[in-house]
Amino acid sequence: DAGITQSPRHKVTETGTPVTLRCHQTENHRYMYWYRQDPGHGLRLIHYSYGVKDTDKGEVSDGYSVSRSKTEDFLLTLESATSSQTSVYFCAHLAVTFSSTDTQYFGPGTRLTVL
Amino acid sequence: SQQGEEDPQALSIQEGENATMNCSYKTSINNLQWYRQNSGRGLVHLILIRSNEREKHSGRLRVTLDTSKKSSSLLITASRAADTASYFCATVPTSGTYKYIFGTGTRLKVLA
Repeated sequence: DAGITQSPRHKVTETGTPVTLRCHQTENHRYMYWYRQDPGHGLRLIHYSYGVKDTDKGEVSDGYSVSRSKTEDFLLTLESATSSQTSVYFCAHLAVTFSSTDTQYFGPGTRLTVL
Repeated sequence: SQQGEEDPQALSIQEGENATMNCSYKTSINNLQWYRQNSGRGLVHLILIRSNEREKHSGRLRVTLDTSKKSSSLLITASRAADTASYFCATVPTSGTYKYIFGTGTRLKVLA
């Protein structure tokens, strides 16, 4: 699993409830990412982090917030879930090399259903 | 949207045939990468090509890059049933960030 896990793997929740997804890595990488995957859209970046407490918005950040208080954990929060946030969420970290052969490693995904 | 486009969206071929999928992108890039996703799983990195490279090979994979046309192609030779998956291109812009931009993907089905 390239040292990256996600929890929970599946979640069903109701509209208006808060939801937090967790991404955990064991390899001390600086960069971490949250994506959502929807049919016809591929992967779209929600937020990414370039260090502890350093985060930046992606293409589809509205309705989402993130936190990174430790290198190994990157949390994604839906403050008030909506049905449009039903999706599969993937976390990734980036292995940066001196030879510029940077590679992202992905977690197994979290399937979120908002009723 | 800055998202890249891939075509075809879906491709069905017989085992042993070659599969070609294309990716177009919108920004200047440092490199372009191809990833594979088996159904229900996370993406797995396949190959990276830098912006100053035109072609790269890895096993049965061949990637080309044309920065003037902002396009790339992935060729899988002698396809196998196990190659059935979705394939995504991802670009890393020259802006100095590591904000990857993924394409919409090509679903490849290899028939035995």
